[in-house]
Parts: sequence; C-alpha cells; structure tokens
Amino acid sequence: IAGITQAPTSQILAAGRRMTLRCTQDMRHNAMYWYRQDLGLGLRLIHYSNTAGTTGKGEVPDGYSVSRANTDDFPLTLASAVPSQTSVYFCASSDSSSNEQFFGPGTRLTVL
Amino acid sequence: GQNIDQPTEMTATEGAIVQINCTYQTSGFNGLFWYQQHAGEAPTFLSYNVLDGLEEKGRFSSFLSRSKGYSYLLLKELQMKDSASYLCAVLDSNYQLIWGAGTKLIIKP
Repeated sequence: IAGITQAPTSQILAAGRRMTLRCTQDMRHNAMYWYRQDLGLGLRLIHYSNTAGTTGKGEVPDGYSVSRANTDDFPLTLASAVPSQTSVYFCASSDSSSNEQFFGPGTRLTVL
Repeated sequence: GQNIDQPTEMTATEGAIVQINCTYQTSGFNGLFWYQQHAGEAPTFLSYNVLDGLEEKGRFSSFLSRSKGYSYLLLKELQMKDSASYLCAVLDSNYQLIWGAGTKLIIKP
C-alpha cells in the first residue's frame, strides 16, 4: 500500500441497502476525512477524525456514520442508502504538522 | 456563513498565461490551499499560502492578500496537460478546509 486506498472503486446500490466504503492509509497520519463531491459543488465534508478513537461531524453528516478504531482505517457507512447520496466519495488524510490533505482515488456511488 | 468564490470555467491557449481568482469569507483563516483535479481523479496539492504575497513554484505561482480575502493561482507556459479543475480551499478557525466549487480550465492548442 502506498498513500491512501479506497474500496470499492465504484458501486451501484439499491435504495434502502446498507453500504460501507473503506479507506486505508499507510502514512501514519493523525487526521482523516470523508468528503462527497457533486457536480457544481465544492468538496463537502461528511465526517472527520483528528486522531484514532475520535470522530466529528462535518457539513453534511446526516445518513452517514464513521468509526476510527486505529490510525490506518476510516470506514464510512451509509445505514440506509437514498438516491441523494449518489456522489463521488473521497477519503483524505493529513499530518498535524502541515495541514496538507492527501486524497484517495475516490469511490463513485450510485443509489437507485 | 462561509463562502469561497471562484469562476466556474476559463479557457486559455497553449503557451499562454492564465490567472484563476479566488475570494473567500470564512470564520477565521489559517491558510489557503490550491489543488489540481483532473477529470475522474483525486485532487492533488499545488500550493499553500498563509502569509501575504507571492509563492512561486515552477510554472505555478499563488498569491494571497488576507486583508482583501483574495488569492489567485497563476499558470505560465500553459500545456495541454494543465487542462483540469483548480480548487481553492481555506483552512478555517477549526482547522477544517472549506472548499470552493472549482474552476474548470480548458486549454486550446
């Protein structure tokens, strides 16, 4: 692993289904983030974690949950997917010394 | 509220210079980032400004004026591979990044 990986790359999901997007980083960064990116809108923060064991809500947290059991992994769960959650989801991480965020390749999610 | 404004789309010619502007109104300021994002790919870091003035890095330069809530990204000697979206983002008082919607730059031969 080099940097940040996300899985799956893309997914088509029926409304009402539960889905977990996976994110793993090997840079030992303290902070991790989940964003969604929709056409015409900027990246919007869903949830974040400043360090393992802690999480916080971003701008658009409703319908999503996260956990941070260790430094490397930061999964995002949609408990019951709805069509408005169709988007591209990016995971990112940063080190507290620089604030620069490094992004994973993204997951393209379609909810029908 | 917090707001980041940048043009939706710009067009420029290969070999020319283009300036992409960004204005912001945020709760606190701990620096401004520029990222590049090619279609279908993840954003990648270009520059970071926390003090007023110009930061030059090869063909790319970034300028910041904190008193005016203004930044620009200057791209020189444009190449076709510079066709991408350019994202402006401000680190607010909570050290969260607030993102603009991005400027799609189209380079024509």
